[in-house]
This record gives sequence, C-alpha cells and structure tokens, in this order.
Amino acid sequence: QQQVKQSPQSLIVQKGGISIINCAYENTAFDYFPWYQQFPGKGPALLIAIRPDVSEKKEGRFTISFNKSAKQFSLHIMDSQPGDSATYFCAASSRTSGSARQLTFGSGTQLTVLP
Amino acid sequence: KAGVTQTPRYLIKTRGQQVTLSCSPISGHRSVSWYQQTPGQGLQFLFEYFSETQRNKGNFPGRFSGRQFSNSRSEMNVSTLELGDSALYLCASSLTGGTGAYEQYFGPGTRLTVT
Repeated sequence: QQQVKQSPQSLIVQKGGISIINCAYENTAFDYFPWYQQFPGKGPALLIAIRPDVSEKKEGRFTISFNKSAKQFSLHIMDSQPGDSATYFCAASSRTSGSARQLTFGSGTQLTVLP
Repeated sequence: KAGVTQTPRYLIKTRGQQVTLSCSPISGHRSVSWYQQTPGQGLQFLFEYFSETQRNKGNFPGRFSGRQFSNSRSEMNVSTLELGDSALYLCASSLTGGTGAYEQYFGPGTRLTVT
C-alpha cells in the first residue's frame, strides 16, 4: 500500500516536445507529492510539488497534474530541452507516527531529450 | 545558504568491514533522512532523525544504524558490509518534516563500493 508506481521507465523526446511522466498510488494517507530531478553523479533535486487539494501546479515549463479520485499524478515538461535529460522521480509523503513523515519514491524515469 | 553536504563522496570497502558516512544538513534544518539508491531497488528509505532522535525507520537490517548530533549533523553506520550494500547513500534534510509540506533537500550522496 506504500507503493508509488511510475511510468514509463524511459522516455525519449525531441527537443521542443512535451515529456509526460505518470505516477499512481494507492495509499490515501499520502498528502504531499513532490517530483525530483536527478543528474548522473548528483543527488535528487526537488523540482516541483503539489498538495492533493490542488489539481494542477505550474512552475515555468514544469506542470504537475493531480487526479485525486484516480489516485494519479503526472509531470509535464513543456518545450523539452536537452538539458532536461535526467532521471525523474515522483514521490509521495505521508505522516507515519507522531510528527514523523516518510517519502516513498517511484522507480524513476530516464528522460532523454534529443537535440 | 549552503546545501546538504556529505562526506566522503566515494568509498571502497571490503566485505565484513564497517563504514561510517557523514551528513551536514542545510543550516536551520533539524530533520535528516537517509536513503539507499541502487539500480535494482531505486530509492529506499533507511531512517530519519529529528532532534537527535530516530523518528522513523525503513525496512533495513540492524546492521544499518545512525545517529544525529546536537548540531543536526548526522552519521550512518553500516557494520559487517555485504556486497549488496554497494549503493549510493543519500542524505536529505528538511526543516521539521512533520507539518504540511515536506520539502526534502538532498546531498550529492556517498558512493559506497563493497568488494
């Protein structure tokens, strides 16, 4: 029940195209959904995040769409650039006990943007 | 503001040895979480420390332990190393981790290779 399922595993997009990565969850206790971007040799970097009371959040070329009833959320990268080539992880956070919280990560999507 | 720092960045150990990794969180952050990242298992939560107390623990054997100091710096220790412990160990810090948004910021990781 703690799983976050992410797809696709890899994605190849032409420069200027739209990259779409999808995630699904089952645990309704999740209440915060961040996306992370990771370049080789680096730690994951927080990209954008959404709360379940919002259906969409946009920051620059990055948009999260959230469907609470379907328990799905997705990351859209508009006008994809070669510099966006990285691994993207969706995650979901829930309160565990007391004030403790835990992030559960999806399996990651390796995005390649062709010049 | 300086980011999360981890030392050492690379480490090679032999089976049966033990290892200690260090993490310095962002100034003012009191919560430190540790993750193991491998190609096969992805990002897996190890444990979280807050105000020198372990607040949350993932499903790892007791060979994996950690602690947090009064300045919020954290260390994790792996005893009796196994080949399967080869991984990127990531540390992430957040302000409190317990309320509302749960923005975690990751360090660059320590690449541990067990031979």
